[in-house]
Amino acid sequence: DIQMTQSPSTLSASVGDRVTITCRASQSISSWLAWYQQKPGKAPKLLIYKASSLESGVPSRFSGSGSGTEFTLTISSLQPDDFQTYYCQQYNSPQRTFGQGTKVEIK
Amino acid sequence: EVQLVESGGALVQPGESLRLSCAASGFTFSDYRMTWVRQAPGKGLEWVASIKQDGTEKYYVASARGRFTISRDNAQNSLYLQMNSLRAEDTAVYFCARDRGPGGTSPWGQGTLVTVFS
Repeated sequence: DIQMTQSPSTLSASVGDRVTITCRASQSISSWLAWYQQKPGKAPKLLIYKASSLESGVPSRFSGSGSGTEFTLTISSLQPDDFQTYYCQQYNSPQRTFGQGTKVEIK
Repeated sequence: EVQLVESGGALVQPGESLRLSCAASGFTFSDYRMTWVRQAPGKGLEWVASIKQDGTEKYYVASARGRFTISRDNAQNSLYLQMNSLRAEDTAVYFCARDRGPGGTSPWGQGTLVTVFS
């Protein structure tokens, strides 16, 4: 199975900061990568699909980039509601694996 | 409105079985691959199983293969996960979700809690 490695596990930042989360795949997944945001006790919400396509209704401060094995999620100016946990997921193979998650905390 | 509602979660003992259900509405269910994802308490997301639109192809995470069976009833707009020989490490919230292929996985249901205790 394809392994996904996210970094960092925890990120401390302030409102207004630009933050970047990285996701690495154990083999090439082309652009078949999605990013999700999860709030405590809630279902994950799709933010980005196909590495860089913004899901409808998601604020434009979220962006994704990358292809092959290395990908990034960037939040251009962190807002109070963005202090959540983020996951990447590859869907290049039928076994869709997730990264271990990145918790964005208030500094 | 596209909606997924899971049910069937319960408190069970190791070795027992449980069947989860997911009722879909607001979209043409038979057009989409469907997925189960779980999240153990305080842990990350783990993809569990997926099923093709017509049910002919099924995929499982290694830890579920041979114990869990994913199925669907397109006439009833329903997805199922039959879980046998449950273990303590299967304790998690189980989410069903719509796989949009190139468009990622969305939406997700609210989840149903399975607790395996001895």
